Amino acid sequence: VTLLEQNPRWRLVPRGQAVNLRCILKNSQYPWMSWYQQDLQKQLQWLFTLRSPGDKEVKSLPGADYLATRVTDTELRLQVANMSQGRTLYCTCSADDEQYFGPGTRLTVL
Amino acid sequence: QQKVQQSPESLTVSEGAMASLNCTFSDGTSDNFRWYRQHSGKGLEVLVSIFSDGEKEEGRFTAHLNRASLHVSLHIREPQPSDSAVYLCAMSITNTGKLTFGDGTVLTVKP
Repeated sequence: VTLLEQNPRWRLVPRGQAVNLRCILKNSQYPWMSWYQQDLQKQLQWLFTLRSPGDKEVKSLPGADYLATRVTDTELRLQVANMSQGRTLYCTCSADDEQYFGPGTRLTVL
Repeated sequence: QQKVQQSPESLTVSEGAMASLNCTFSDGTSDNFRWYRQHSGKGLEVLVSIFSDGEKEEGRFTAHLNRASLHVSLHIREPQPSDSAVYLCAMSITNTGKLTFGDGTVLTVKP
């Protein structure tokens, strides 16, 4: 059973251009939603956990700037800007001790 | 901030021989521990989650947790070539949504 949908699944991003990602939650049993990045060296890093509609957070990391928004109970968005190196962004859903990853969005810098 | 060290960086085993992977963490603040697997170019698949000291088995995968020694391990019984992947340990504090990952162990299972 697919708990999370992510789109797009991949994107070529011209240098200097921002890209917007979406994550849709299919099972409200796991209401906490988070974003993780995986860099080209395959290191996974937590970015954000947004619990409620209306929550927004920003973060700047080496190689990209992020703006995350919890739009609704079932939709999470991420804007990626100033990306200098490719990466994969994973959305997760969680509750208590369970956490599941979406299929990921792979971003490549042109 | 919790740090996670995985070993070995890479491991090659023959099909059918036990594979053992290790993870040490920097402090005792985490209360749940997971092992994930990632095949090349694919997403993350959770293998086993463990919350108490001792052993937890899920099919051919067994995790051992020892909080006193800040150590969690994964043992794969009768590994097959299809088990060749990167194995990642991760830990978190319950109800934070935040997992801290190790750098991974690349497992190769030879026929």
